[in-house]
Amino acid sequence: QAGLTQPPSVSKGLRQTATLTCTGNSNNVGNQGATWLQQHQGHPPKLLSYRGDSRPSGISERFSASRSRNTASLTITGLQPEDEADYYCSAWDSSLSAWVFGEGTKLTVL
Amino acid sequence: EVQLVESGGGLVQPGGSLRLSCVASGLTVSNNYMNWVRQAPGKGLEWVSLIYSDGSTYYADSVKGRFTISRDNSTNTLYLQMNSLRTEDTAVYYCARDDGAYWGRGTLVTVSA
Repeated sequence: QAGLTQPPSVSKGLRQTATLTCTGNSNNVGNQGATWLQQHQGHPPKLLSYRGDSRPSGISERFSASRSRNTASLTITGLQPEDEADYYCSAWDSSLSAWVFGEGTKLTVL
Repeated sequence: EVQLVESGGGLVQPGGSLRLSCVASGLTVSNNYMNWVRQAPGKGLEWVSLIYSDGSTYYADSVKGRFTISRDNSTNTLYLQMNSLRTEDTAVYYCARDDGAYWGRGTLVTVSA
């Protein structure tokens, strides 16, 4: 099953803004939006945004999700050391009847 | 508080079988869409299987015909029966609610001779 496309790595400075992208097609991201997950080494993933909806309770307002056609974006403002993690996007693909994931973006906070 | 606790992982030879369990508390498995997602060592997340509240099931092509997702409503437990295991099935297996809001801590499956 074809996956979503994410850049392998992004590096930004402390307190800067990072925008992570996730590109799919009209059957997945373009249809129902993308879910964003954060994963620190050795821990399970943590939900940041479900299908582009508002943040779950407890998620910092520094994280915001958006979508333009088949590309979803996660913007993280005021980068903090604890934001250094792997970020995954996923979406339900209506043509495959399957969840598809991106390969993840490793965010480094310099 | 919602908790998902996976178990059943371990070392198995290629061609062998394992059954993973995910016991839920604070959440009714049968009322939710539930997934199994895996992560090979040092790799990204890979969706494995989904069960709807109506019992419909879906599988990744890589496991179709070998894995079976099910649930036991009386014990509020999600299962993944894994047969004909291959070395490439080696991974940490997570159960998660479909919206990604809740994840277990995972159970490691190692397929090796």
